[in-house]
Amino acid sequence: AQSVTQLGSHVSVSEGALVLLRCNYSSSVPPYLFWYVQYPNQGLQLLLKYTTGATLVKGINGFEAEFKKSETSFHLTKPSAHMSDAAEYFCAVSGSFQKLVFGTGTRLLVSP
Amino acid sequence: ETGVTQTPRHLVMGMTNKKSLKCEQHLGHNAMYWYKQSAKKPLELMFVYNFKEQTENNSVPSRFSPECPNSSHLFLHLHTLQPEDSALYLCASSQDVGGTEAFFGQGTRLTVV
Repeated sequence: AQSVTQLGSHVSVSEGALVLLRCNYSSSVPPYLFWYVQYPNQGLQLLLKYTTGATLVKGINGFEAEFKKSETSFHLTKPSAHMSDAAEYFCAVSGSFQKLVFGTGTRLLVSP
Repeated sequence: ETGVTQTPRHLVMGMTNKKSLKCEQHLGHNAMYWYKQSAKKPLELMFVYNFKEQTENNSVPSRFSPECPNSSHLFLHLHTLQPEDSALYLCASSQDVGGTEAFFGQGTRLTVV
């Protein structure tokens, strides 16, 4: 069985500040990990993914995430927040023949 | 067209109406999904189809009836809904079930009055 825990339903940052969204996972098979972003009344858009290989993965809009097996984590970061980053972010896990399992989401609020 | 397309984008229906949501994917994927997203609730997986066959139904009430005529099209037929069924309904597809990312449509915002 797989599961995802996202710590913090809301995260607030100032424009220009570091963004850190936390994701911990549980998986009985080697995990594939994903971050998605959702803007209001839109579908989910893939930000980045980890399958195998390099543990630091870069995505769109300046986001990146690091897979840490020892910590079962896949936190999402961005060095400098922009107003347009305000959205809901979902972490998800899957594995070979395992469907995607989503976390409950974290709403990122960016203030001027 | 590319990606996953959902129609309509918005739907208002009465509790006695029958309506259908449509999803079409142009990605050559084998798996398709319906999700329900309600305010302040986690994303709920409703149905999974793999090669047109339903492989998962997560205890969804029978007033929601999915149909997958081929790997590119997925429908959700709605009948006698309740106000608590008002939500954003998202369709997604993936190359296979498991191991790969899912691609989502824009969703249908459903309001039941």
